[in-house]
Amino acid sequence: AQSVTQLGSHVSVSEGALVLLRCNYSSSVPPYLFWYVQYPNQGLQLLLKYTSAATLVKGINGFEAEFKKSETSFHLTKPSAHMSDAAEYFCAVSENTGGFKTIFGAGTRLFVKA
Amino acid sequence: DTGVSQDPRHKITKRGQNVTFRCDPISEHNRLYWYRQTLGQGPEFLTYFQNEAQLEKSRLLSDRFSAERPKGSFSTLEIQRTEQGDSAMYLCASSREAMSSYEQYFGPGTRLTVT
Repeated sequence: AQSVTQLGSHVSVSEGALVLLRCNYSSSVPPYLFWYVQYPNQGLQLLLKYTSAATLVKGINGFEAEFKKSETSFHLTKPSAHMSDAAEYFCAVSENTGGFKTIFGAGTRLFVKA
Repeated sequence: DTGVSQDPRHKITKRGQNVTFRCDPISEHNRLYWYRQTLGQGPEFLTYFQNEAQLEKSRLLSDRFSAERPKGSFSTLEIQRTEQGDSAMYLCASSREAMSSYEQYFGPGTRLTVT
């Protein structure tokens, strides 16, 4: 069974500092992995996805994530935080078996201090 | 590509009333998903359609919930005899079957408040 664990329900960084949001997954088969961002009262927007190609994935808005199979991790990073990055971030996993169900983590709220 | 749209955006109803939400997916997407999101949680899968066929329903989807996608285009989610525990954001998403990455595009959601 698939599952996703996001370490830290809240993360606070200063503007210009490194952003690191942690995600660990569990999957019995090779997974597809995603990071989504959600702004208040809006739906989810895809930041980036891992689909078994390159392990380092670059997404929108300067975010990237690295798939580490040995650690079952898919942490999200951004070298320099911007005030506009303040939002809720969700890590998600789908199984690469022709399946369709996406399992989401509980989310990490990112605060950016001026 | 106009994106996934949902209507209404907000719904306030009294306990025991029935409510219906609508989702219009991206036009060329044949897969459609419903999720429920409560405060402080990630979206939880409710049900999934491929074209007009409902292929899976979560155990979260009690008998009071029903979803349809009659012509394989828009979908409706109906909740009968609403309860306060049904208060949540209901998200719709769509994807193309041909997309091997199973990337889903989300609508803005319908926020339901049951009083």
